[in-house]
Amino acid sequence: LAKTTQPISMDSYEGQEVNITCSHNNIATNDYITWYQQFPSQGPRFIIQGYKTKVTNEVASLFIPADRKSSTLSLPRVSLSDTAVYYCLVGQGGKLIFGQGTELSVKP
Amino acid sequence: ETGVTQTPRHLVMGMTNKKSLKCEQHLGHNAMYWYKQSAKKPLELMFVYSLEERVENNSVPSRFSPECPNSSHLFLHLHTLQPEDSALYLCASSQDFRSSNQPQHFGDGTRLSIL
Repeated sequence: LAKTTQPISMDSYEGQEVNITCSHNNIATNDYITWYQQFPSQGPRFIIQGYKTKVTNEVASLFIPADRKSSTLSLPRVSLSDTAVYYCLVGQGGKLIFGQGTELSVKP
Repeated sequence: ETGVTQTPRHLVMGMTNKKSLKCEQHLGHNAMYWYKQSAKKPLELMFVYSLEERVENNSVPSRFSPECPNSSHLFLHLHTLQPEDSALYLCASSQDFRSSNQPQHFGDGTRLSIL
């Protein structure tokens, strides 16, 4: 199972773009890259998923280089409500391993 | 509304009690999962069910007993728990355990405290 590495914490200010990079050197050919957001005392919420290049939805973008050994979650114009823990996962189907995640703190 | 509902949201029990956690998914998914999240620790996968059959059991103590009567419901039966079992227990579901591009959908968990 591929292991991921991401920063433990990040600080940002309201209105800024935040980029969180995740390393996954051992990603397998069939693995997808998935990002989740978790608020205290709640379950993780799916944000975005991708396999290669760029994926964009209404809340975020995901950039994946050609070698797929890393990925970057981009949150445009963050607000205070984006303060949460963000998890990067790679894997197949139900075999997902959650790491420590990145604790994002957005300040006014 | 997440599509995955867990009850109760909070539970306090003694070490000799028997209780059950319930999870129900309204998404038509075929796979369901139990996770444990202790304070300041990553989520730990406990059990996986696919079409009501257990497909994964990650060395979980026998004091935790899962049950999946159908693809929409998942239970976690608890007995003789220890203080270190206090944690947030999360249920999740996904379309297919084997699919690579089907994300898991989580409930908001049951906060369990063992006295």
